[in-house]
Amino acid sequence: ETGVTQSPTHLIKTRGQQVTLRCSSQSGHNTVSWYQQALGQGPQFIFQYYREEENGRGNFPPRFSGLQFPNYSSELNVNALELDDSALYLCASSGHGQGIGETQYFGPGTRLLVL
Amino acid sequence: AQSVTQLGSHVSVSEGALVLLRCNYSSSVPPYLFWYVQYPNQGLQLLLKYTTGATLVKGINGFEAEFKKSETSFHLTKPSAHMSDAAEYFCAVSVDTGKLIFGQGTTLQVKP
Repeated sequence: ETGVTQSPTHLIKTRGQQVTLRCSSQSGHNTVSWYQQALGQGPQFIFQYYREEENGRGNFPPRFSGLQFPNYSSELNVNALELDDSALYLCASSGHGQGIGETQYFGPGTRLLVL
Repeated sequence: AQSVTQLGSHVSVSEGALVLLRCNYSSSVPPYLFWYVQYPNQGLQLLLKYTTGATLVKGINGFEAEFKKSETSFHLTKPSAHMSDAAEYFCAVSVDTGKLIFGQGTTLQVKP
C-alpha cells in the first residue's frame, strides 16, 4: 500500500509569484485535505476535496485554490505569494469525504519559502 | 465553535519517566479526537483517536489517552518515556466534513 506523497519537498519563491504543490493520495482514498503549518504552529485547514469537488474551506483567501483529479491526486495553487505564505504545506488523504471521524493520513509536506 | 487547547508548549521528562501531554477541547457536538506526532522535518503520524465507545484509547508506541467528557479533556500519556519519543505532539478535533482543528502543539523533550 502506497502512502501519501507530496512534491516537491522544498521550494523557494519570491513575493508575487505563483506556486503549485502536488499530492498523491493513499491507495483507495477519495478525499484530500490541505493544511498550512507555519513555523511553531499547529496545522491550519485550507480546504478539502471529495470526488473532485471542494468539500469545505478554511479561512484562507481566494488566491489559495485547488484541484482534485479523477485518480484523486490533488494540487494546491497559491497566487500572488506573500511572505506570510512561507510554511510547511501538508496534504492528507482519507477514505470518505463525509467522515467526520475519519482518520486522515498525512504526507511528508512541502516546505515553501517566500523571499 | 470547536477548538483545541494544549497546555504547555514544551514538556521535558527524563527517560523512563511518565509522559503527560494535556489537551482540552471545546465542541458543541460529541467530539472526535485525535493525537498526532510529528518528528523533525516530517509529516504527521496518527498516534490514536477517539470516536465513540471506550473512553480509554490505546495507540501506537505505548501511548494512550482518556476521553473525559466532564472535563472536556483528552490527555495523552505514556508510562515510560524513551529517547525516541522526543517530537512535536498535536491534539486535534474533527468537525464538519472531517476537517481537523489542531492545537498549537507540545514539544516533548526526553533527557537521558
